[in-house]
Amino acid sequence: AQSVTQPDIHITVSEGASLELRCNYSYGATPYLFWYVQSPGQGLQLLLKYFSGDTLVQGIKGFEAEFKRSQSSFNLRKPSVHWSDAAEYFCAVFSGGYNKLIFGAGTRLAVHP
Amino acid sequence: DGGITQSPKYLFRKEGQNVTLSCEQNLNHDAMYWYRQDPGQGLRLIYYSQIVNDFQKGDIAEGYSVSREKKESFPLTVTSAQKNPTAFYLCASSRGLAGVQETQYFGPGTRLLVL
Repeated sequence: AQSVTQPDIHITVSEGASLELRCNYSYGATPYLFWYVQSPGQGLQLLLKYFSGDTLVQGIKGFEAEFKRSQSSFNLRKPSVHWSDAAEYFCAVFSGGYNKLIFGAGTRLAVHP
Repeated sequence: DGGITQSPKYLFRKEGQNVTLSCEQNLNHDAMYWYRQDPGQGLRLIYYSQIVNDFQKGDIAEGYSVSREKKESFPLTVTSAQKNPTAFYLCASSRGLAGVQETQYFGPGTRLLVL
């Protein structure tokens, strides 16, 4: 069955440090992958998406993600974290067979000054 | 300003009561979705609708009902049959359902609490 795993429930980084949030998926066909961000008590905002082509995709707020088929991964990165990046991050894969998005459980990011 | 609105922001339900959560979009999107979010569990799909007057059950439809009488509106009713309704409810929409490249856009959510 299709699934998305975000191995890290909580991550804490210092402001200005680099960030990598991990996402692994299980999907038989070519995956269509998304990263969303959610501030406390708010809806989800799309950061970036991968459908095809260049495996390194750029998103909003200085985020990027790299699709690695051999590792079934779609990790999110940012070279220098800002305090305003503190939020919860969700990775998702579109399941064509079920016509729906499958979400990971999320990674909560805390940023220390 | 195009977007998705959800109301109310907070909703309180008494035992045995049905409550309805509102979701409106002015993006001219055909597809709309309802998700439930519980801590540590990500988002789970309750119902979705591809066109007006049509909707399909998602993974956790029991205890919920929806209607889609207008393109821009997709209200969700949490019935008394839903024994554990306390959660954060998110509505989303996309241009279509069939196209895999149709990104879903989310509303700000409604938090439902049981009294």
